[in-house]
Amino acid sequence: KQEVTQIPAALSVPEGENLVLNCSFTDSAIYNLQWFRQDPGKGLTSLLLIQSSQREQTSGRLNASLDKSSGRSTLYIAASQPGDSATYLCAVSGGGADGLTFGKGTHLIIQP
Amino acid sequence: DAGITQSPRHKVTETGTPVTLRCHQTENHRYMYWYRQDPGHGLRLIHYSYGVKDTDKGEVSDGYSVSRSKTEDFLLTLESATSSQTSVYFCAISAGGWYQETQYFGPGTRLLVL
Repeated sequence: KQEVTQIPAALSVPEGENLVLNCSFTDSAIYNLQWFRQDPGKGLTSLLLIQSSQREQTSGRLNASLDKSSGRSTLYIAASQPGDSATYLCAVSGGGADGLTFGKGTHLIIQP
Repeated sequence: DAGITQSPRHKVTETGTPVTLRCHQTENHRYMYWYRQDPGHGLRLIHYSYGVKDTDKGEVSDGYSVSRSKTEDFLLTLESATSSQTSVYFCAISAGGWYQETQYFGPGTRLLVL
């Protein structure tokens, strides 16, 4: 059974810092990995999707990398802003249509 | 938001009563999903659908049933609600008509079972 772990569970940093969120998964036989953000009381917003054949994806100040063989992904956030405060979720897709397996998230606070 | 709505957005019910949650999408996506989100567990898949009348169970399907009679609607039913089903329920779709594409989520339904 696939298991996804996110470290750290919580992180608080001053505005302007670059930071890295980590995600690991136990079964490397994935088709893709997706990063989401979730604001309190809200739904999930898709940030980046990395296919298993890709090494990284970038969107604005966000860069996600994937090392499938070692079962790891990182989400790099450059020049953090208070508006980046949210919970960040990592999820992997296996070989079927049966949805995503999620980590429990990293709760990020950016201090003004 | 990929045109996904969920109803109701909030519901309080009593143990033993049936409850139906609705997910509606406007963009004709083939794949639809129901997840629940609980503190300490994260999001877990309840059921999914790969077409009209084509559904299958996810990780935590006990106590839930689903139906999809139209492409745009995916219904989740709690036949007899229990307190352990108090949760936030999210519907999702896979964009692009292929289950490996980006998943987009609805706003969620907060369910409290007393």
